[in-house]
Amino acid sequence: GENVEQHPSTLSVQEGDSAVIKCTYSDSASNYFPWYKQELGKRPQLIIDIRSNVGEKKDQRIAVTLNKTAKHFSLHITETQPEDSAVYFCAASGGRALTFGSGTRLQVQP
Amino acid sequence: GAGVSQSPRYKVAKRGQDVALRCDPISGHVSLFWYQQALGQGPEFLTYFQNEAQLDKSGLPSDRFFAERPEGSVSTLKIQRTQQEDSAVYLCASSLAAGNTIYFGEGSWLTVV
Repeated sequence: GENVEQHPSTLSVQEGDSAVIKCTYSDSASNYFPWYKQELGKRPQLIIDIRSNVGEKKDQRIAVTLNKTAKHFSLHITETQPEDSAVYFCAASGGRALTFGSGTRLQVQP
Repeated sequence: GAGVSQSPRYKVAKRGQDVALRCDPISGHVSLFWYQQALGQGPEFLTYFQNEAQLDKSGLPSDRFFAERPEGSVSTLKIQRTQQEDSAVYLCASSLAAGNTIYFGEGSWLTVV
């Protein structure tokens, strides 16, 4: 089955700096790669996703890049704000269930 | 409904008790998933339904775990003879169809004492 590795496990940045979280996956059949943000005690919320026919996607301060050859994808958050502090999960899917990474706890210091 | 709804939000069970967790998916969503999330971990897949058909139950950790979706809408996850290692958040999620965006509920927090 699919295996998703996520790094780093924790990330602390100063407000206004950029944050990058990286994930690798094992199953070349995976074609859908969403990113979820989860605040303490809350549901995972989709923040951005990318499908395998696209290399990069951007939505305001958030961007995701995908390298299918290397089987890795990354989340980039620019101009970070304190409200970006949360746990971020990457995931991969071949069309049904998602396989999640282990999460990155992002702390944005004001 | 506006989103995926789960109940109860919090459940404390004594070891050995049976529990039932309910999920109301977004109206019209064909696909329904159950995930288990331990503290500090990512969600782990348990089972997947397409309408009333359980197409994948490979993630269920033991035969004490059972899920159903008899009319293709509401789903129930049942855990028999609960054990301490069952303590986790049980997340339900739904999507319009396979391969579409997956939306999560707030989860049912189960503590087995």
